[in-house]
Amino acid sequence: EAGVAQSPRYKIIEKRQSVAFWCNPISGHATLYWYQQILGQGPKLLIQFQNNGVVDDSQLPKDRFSAERLKGVDSTLKIQPAKLEDSAVYLCASSFTEDTQYFGPGTRLTVL
Amino acid sequence: AQSVTQLGSHVSVSEGALVLLRCNYSSSVPPYLFWYVQYPNQGLQLLLKYTTGATLVKGINGFEAEFKKSETSFHLTKPSAHMSDAAEYFCAVRGQAGTALIFGKGTTLSVSS
Repeated sequence: EAGVAQSPRYKIIEKRQSVAFWCNPISGHATLYWYQQILGQGPKLLIQFQNNGVVDDSQLPKDRFSAERLKGVDSTLKIQPAKLEDSAVYLCASSFTEDTQYFGPGTRLTVL
Repeated sequence: AQSVTQLGSHVSVSEGALVLLRCNYSSSVPPYLFWYVQYPNQGLQLLLKYTTGATLVKGINGFEAEFKKSETSFHLTKPSAHMSDAAEYFCAVRGQAGTALIFGKGTTLSVSS
């Protein structure tokens, strides 16, 4: 079974630029999560989708971050404009049941 | 509100020694608890989970954890460390609002020969 796919794996941008990350969950997984993992910390939820609807986006900085999952399958997370403090690993996860999440390899973002 | 505290940001053991990684949680509802492992430049891999039932949970790679409600703990153990166990370990509790996880800050495990 293919795992959660993410691209790109690494991205370096200047502050105030925009960037987008892509995630393709495991086939059949209705729930998709985006987490932000800052160096030295545990992952923190940014947004959770159930199919193409948003379940929880309470910690998403909506002035600069946006995410969509238009067809209920793959998802895109965008940052515009990026700040230095956005440097982190962005992890995508998906789940079929409510108790087990499967994580992708992550996208490491460096903002200069 | 749910939260997780991992005691010790770094733990060092010798190969063959007992591994003990500590995790305490706070939860306003019956907790679902998880341990994940993260190797360098990789995503998180589930080691084990507690949802309901037996409080001693066995996971992959010889790891196990015991849910102790009275102590609000979910410590991770392995009887004999292997060099390949060197990684970062995260304890997590399922959040109250949905099914998203709330993670601790992680514990880096080093194993020396």
